[in-house]
Amino acid sequence: EIVLTQSPGTLSLSPGEGATLSCRASQSVSSGYLAWYQQKPGQAPRLLIYGASSRATGIPDRFSGSGSGTDFTLTISRLEPEDFAVYYCQHYGSSPWTFGQGTKVEVK
Amino acid sequence: EVQLLESGGTLVQPGGSLRLSCAASGFTFSSYAMSWVRQAPGKGLEWVSTISGSGVNIYYADSVKGRFTISRDNSKNTLSVQMHNLRAEDTAVYYCAKSGWPTLFYFDYWGQGTLVTVSS
Repeated sequence: EIVLTQSPGTLSLSPGEGATLSCRASQSVSSGYLAWYQQKPGQAPRLLIYGASSRATGIPDRFSGSGSGTDFTLTISRLEPEDFAVYYCQHYGSSPWTFGQGTKVEVK
Repeated sequence: EVQLLESGGTLVQPGGSLRLSCAASGFTFSSYAMSWVRQAPGKGLEWVSTISGSGVNIYYADSVKGRFTISRDNSKNTLSVQMHNLRAEDTAVYYCAKSGWPTLFYFDYWGQGTLVTVSS
């Protein structure tokens, strides 16, 4: 089973600042099969990024994903008020698909 | 517009059984794998089970293997999970999720979730 470790646990930032979220896998994620999701309180998760770097439909270009192998990054170039949420990474290369524990991006 | 609507969540006693359903619309249901993902109160996301579009390939998390059975009815665009021998640690919001690509198991659409509470 691939264990995904996200860091930091919490990121305290102000609107307009940039955010860098990390997701490290315990073993190589095949073919870059890594996704990122955003979840706000009381809502279902929303897909942001798949294939490590492809933005999902309707996702603003301030969100970008990068990485390969065991190290992946989600970057938010300039935080908008609606971006403060919890972010999860997920691998889907082989069963069991697993999620990271999440990074909370909160208002400083 | 893709829509996923879960139902069936309720309070159940430990050791009990429950069936959750998910009604899908807005896409060719039989072409996509479907999954259940759960989230315990205040916790992160946990993948539970996935079934391929044809229903031939099925996958389970170790935490539910032998207790949960996923199924689908492509004639009715419905996904289900039958849960037996429920435990307190199964308490969670259960989400139905659609795969973003027929055979790639990331999730591009999610339902609003249904709450299962296992307690005496």
